[in-house]
Amino acid sequence: GAVVSQHPSRVICKSGTSVKIECRSLDFQATTMFWYRQFPKQSLMLMATSNEGSKATYEQGVEKDKFLINHASLTLSTLTVTSAHPEDSSFYICSARDPGVPDTGELFFGEGSRLTVL
Amino acid sequence: GENVEQHPSTLSVQEGDSAVIKCTYSDSASNYFPWYKQELGKRPQLIIDIRSNVGEKKDQRIAVTLNKTAKHFSLHITETQPEDSAVYFCAAGGSTLGRLYFGRGTQLTVWP
Repeated sequence: GAVVSQHPSRVICKSGTSVKIECRSLDFQATTMFWYRQFPKQSLMLMATSNEGSKATYEQGVEKDKFLINHASLTLSTLTVTSAHPEDSSFYICSARDPGVPDTGELFFGEGSRLTVL
Repeated sequence: GENVEQHPSTLSVQEGDSAVIKCTYSDSASNYFPWYKQELGKRPQLIIDIRSNVGEKKDQRIAVTLNKTAKHFSLHITETQPEDSAVYFCAAGGSTLGRLYFGRGTQLTVWP
């Protein structure tokens, strides 16, 4: 299947700083990527849809100024957590579907990034 | 947006028994219902999916049923094996392929 890679896998930062997480599709081009947040023993919560060349679409309740998403190329989307606070500590995971496989909604997930804000 | 409820949150079965996980969804526009398996420390992976024009789909020991009228769908695993132990997530999606709303997950443990 398609491969999605995420970096970094773990990051620790001080409160008030910004952190950038990268999500890459390695063997396909993704016009759309999806960012999820996963709390311990909880579900994957859809945060936003990242659209190549245009603005991201945020889910209700997700602060777009806090979670900046940029999808500048067909293989890279970035999530920047701005002015991070301890409550932003979480597991962030990106995903994408391979548009080369028609009529499937299968998502391929990155490895995830564990963010800890001190 | 879509709201997906999943039950049970934990499920323990003996090897060889069947396991059933149930989900409901709220948005009647949803038409795609995948199931993902996430092993400890690994990324979620699709195990089976079903579209709204189909009532049931089977793939070896795994089957999914969908009742669109009642807005619920279920995962059935037969002849469970210890390697089936993982967290299983149901999800629902609509017109935007890949935009999915997930249930809270079911921790399945299969005892040898």
